[in-house]
Amino acid sequence: GDSVTQMEGPVTLSEEAFLTINCTYTATGYPSLFWYVQYPGEGLQLLLKATKADDKGSNKGFEATYRKETTSFHLEKGSVQVSDSAVYFCALSDKGGSEKLVFGKGTKLTVNP
Amino acid sequence: DADVTQTPRNRITKTGKRIMLECSQTKGHDRMYWYRQDPGLGLRLIYYSFDVKDINKGEISDGYSVSRQAQAKFSLSLESAIPNQTALYFCATSGLQGDYDGYTFGSGTRLTVV
Repeated sequence: GDSVTQMEGPVTLSEEAFLTINCTYTATGYPSLFWYVQYPGEGLQLLLKATKADDKGSNKGFEATYRKETTSFHLEKGSVQVSDSAVYFCALSDKGGSEKLVFGKGTKLTVNP
Repeated sequence: DADVTQTPRNRITKTGKRIMLECSQTKGHDRMYWYRQDPGLGLRLIYYSFDVKDINKGEISDGYSVSRQAQAKFSLSLESAIPNQTALYFCATSGLQGDYDGYTFGSGTRLTVV
């Protein structure tokens, strides 16, 4: 079945450091890929998405590129801020399969001043 | 007002009690979902509904039931709560293009079963 594997955390960085959170997936159809962010005490918010191979999703300085050849969708940001501290979830929706979102287990990011 | 509203935000209940978590939305979406979040396990799907007359089990439906009272309302019930149902519960909605546009989540209900 469809699945998402993302790097385990927690990840702790200093402000202005470079961030990468790895995400790989398996899917039977043609998935759309998403990154969600959950700030403390809140629900999940869509951060960015990509719906086909080679698409790049971007938002708030975060980027991720849909790599079909490596089945990956790694999240990157060039310079993190304290306000980026949150839990990040990679997810897929398989249009040719279940058509429901399948989530990774989440990666907790803490950014220190 | 929030697009997806969950009530209550927090609840403590005793083992064996029946409890209902409610979700309402103003997005006009047809599709609604209930997820459970546990530390280290991510989000797991409990039930989902693609329209008012459609109810489907997710990966962890045992011990739960749902009711889709209207397009905008989707409630989750624990008929006889047990401690391992202590978790953070999220309701989510999506349109027909949910696979492209993603989901809209509520703020969650933190449930503790003692």
